[in-house]
Amino acid sequence: GDSVTQMEGPVTLSEEAFLTINCTYTATGYPSLFWYVQYPGEGLQLLLKATKADDKGSNKGFEATYRKETTSFHLEKGSVQVSDSAVYFCALGYTGRRALTFGSGTRLQVQP
Amino acid sequence: DGGITQSPKYLFRKEGQNVTLSCEQNLNHDAMYWYRQDPGQGLRLIYYSQIVNDFQKGDIAEGYSVSREKKESFPLTVTSAQKNPTAFYLCASSSSLLDGTANEAFFGQGTRLTVV
Repeated sequence: GDSVTQMEGPVTLSEEAFLTINCTYTATGYPSLFWYVQYPGEGLQLLLKATKADDKGSNKGFEATYRKETTSFHLEKGSVQVSDSAVYFCALGYTGRRALTFGSGTRLQVQP
Repeated sequence: DGGITQSPKYLFRKEGQNVTLSCEQNLNHDAMYWYRQDPGQGLRLIYYSQIVNDFQKGDIAEGYSVSREKKESFPLTVTSAQKNPTAFYLCASSSSLLDGTANEAFFGQGTRLTVV
């Protein structure tokens, strides 16, 4: 079956550091890929998405490229801020399938 | 503003009681979902519905029930059969699952249920 694997957290960085959160997936077809962010006590918000191989999703300085050959969708940001502290979830989904499949989440802590 | 509203934000239940969590959306989405989130863990799918008057079990449906009588509403009942109901519950919706791409899900703010 399909699955999403994320690096375990917490990831602790200083402000303005470079961020990478790894995400790999196992899929039986050609899914769309998503990154969501969850701030404390809140629901999830879509951060970015990519629908096919080699697509790059980007939003608010975050980027991720859909790599079919390595089945990966790593999240990157060049310079993190304290306000980026949150839990980040990688997910995949298909047309006509029941729901997105989520990874276990990676907590990011950014220190001033 | 369009969105998904979950209520209440916090809910306390005594053991042996059933409780119902509300989820309403005004996004005109066909599909709605319920997820459970435990501390430090990912999301697990409880139930989903692709259309009014139809719903399907997810990965952890035991001890839960749902209804979908209106497009806008997808309430979740946590029954006394649910052995460990304390968790954060998230409702989500998405546009039709059948229009060619996997559509992103939009989430509510969540309900934190605590059994006392």
